[in-house]
Amino acid sequence: DVKVTQSSRYLVKRTGEKVFLECVQDMDHENMFWYRQDPGLGLRLIYFSYDVKMKEKGDIPEGYSVSREKKERFSLILESASTNQTSMYLCASSRGDGQTQYFGPGTRLLVL
Amino acid sequence: GQQVMQIPQYQHVQEGEDFTTYCNSSTTLSNIQWYKQRPGGHPVFLIQLVKSGEVKKQKRLTFQFGEAKKNSSLHITATQTTDVGTYFCAGTSGTYKYIFGTGTRLKVLA
Repeated sequence: DVKVTQSSRYLVKRTGEKVFLECVQDMDHENMFWYRQDPGLGLRLIYFSYDVKMKEKGDIPEGYSVSREKKERFSLILESASTNQTSMYLCASSRGDGQTQYFGPGTRLLVL
Repeated sequence: GQQVMQIPQYQHVQEGEDFTTYCNSSTTLSNIQWYKQRPGGHPVFLIQLVKSGEVKKQKRLTFQFGEAKKNSSLHITATQTTDVGTYFCAGTSGTYKYIFGTGTRLKVLA
């Protein structure tokens, strides 16, 4: 069974703080994704990685960066958190293009 | 850019009634996936459709992919309370990138 874990289920941060969200998958998947989920907007892709140290911008990368130093780990970084980044953040991984995406439990981030 | 619209946004049904959600893409898709997200949970993969006109069934769930590969539907027969959740479609034009629909939130009244 594929397991995707995220470092925190809930997180409260202050405006301007640097925030790290960690995601780990245990199935040796090539692709990893970061999405944010907001009511009425569905899931929107922030960043994607198809290999170690490789990344591509998704639809809403502004205000975010990512890091993939090891195949199993994909980190999302909010350089200076803002209130409009309050959201549910979902990490996912897949074996390759067009394959099933397996999601982590999500991190609900509140920025005050 | 590519857009995937999903309707309805919400649906309340009595237990035992049928339910359908529709997904429409602005561009031709190479495949489409469906996910279910239970309240408080994360999206879980249900199925993938690849061929034009494809129909797949999973017990009470029937999935269809349109002939033009621009639309898809999920139909649930005789809903149960366990069907509660949000159903998302996600389409791709052949790359890693899937565009998710906005989801249909289903409530089943016992």
